[in-house]
Amino acid sequence: SQTIHQWPATLVQPVGSPLSLECTVEGTSNPNLYWYRQAAGRGLQLLFYSVGIGQISSEVPQNLSASRPQDRQFILSSKKLLLSDSGFYLCAATPGQGASPLHFGNGTRLTVT
Amino acid sequence: DAKTTQPPSMDCAEGRAANLPCNHSTISGNEYVYWYRQIHSQGPQYIIHGLKNNETNEMASLIITEDRKSSTLILPHATLRDTAVYYCIVRVAGTSYDKVIFGPGTSLSVIP
Repeated sequence: SQTIHQWPATLVQPVGSPLSLECTVEGTSNPNLYWYRQAAGRGLQLLFYSVGIGQISSEVPQNLSASRPQDRQFILSSKKLLLSDSGFYLCAATPGQGASPLHFGNGTRLTVT
Repeated sequence: DAKTTQPPSMDCAEGRAANLPCNHSTISGNEYVYWYRQIHSQGPQYIIHGLKNNETNEMASLIITEDRKSSTLILPHATLRDTAVYYCIVRVAGTSYDKVIFGPGTSLSVIP
């Protein structure tokens, strides 16, 4: 079964600072990968998804970018954080074939001050 | 936009069955229905999924109507630990277009 690693668990960053969140997946090859954000008291917002190395689909215009340098590595970045970037960031993965469900990591809680 | 609609909140007495409805009237023939739940401050947890037949596992049962336009998640004996937000999504699995959108879900409160 697949395992999704996200770190750090919590992060406090000042406005204008850069961001790099990493997600790695074990237990499956060529997974589909996802980044979601959840603002306080809100639902899950899809930010990016990737069906292969170098293939990134962006869902919401924003201050963030994503990269997939390796098959099971998905990175969320920002050059300059905004207050509105605060939230709970979740990485998810699913095997690229078949109906297997998405599974989520434990998330990173980001506070921009 | 999410392709499903759910009631924003529901209550259920502890020990009783919780029946959570989901409407997906525009579902296409190759889209599966998935259910997740999210307990506060945790990542969503997968519960169950199905295409057109009813499904059951150790956590819940999924009933999909014959026309597939709606479904119901059943927690047979709700406990206080089942208090969570429940999400119903539809997804075309195993393709290169795998955009998975979550709606606001149903906040289930299990009452002692």
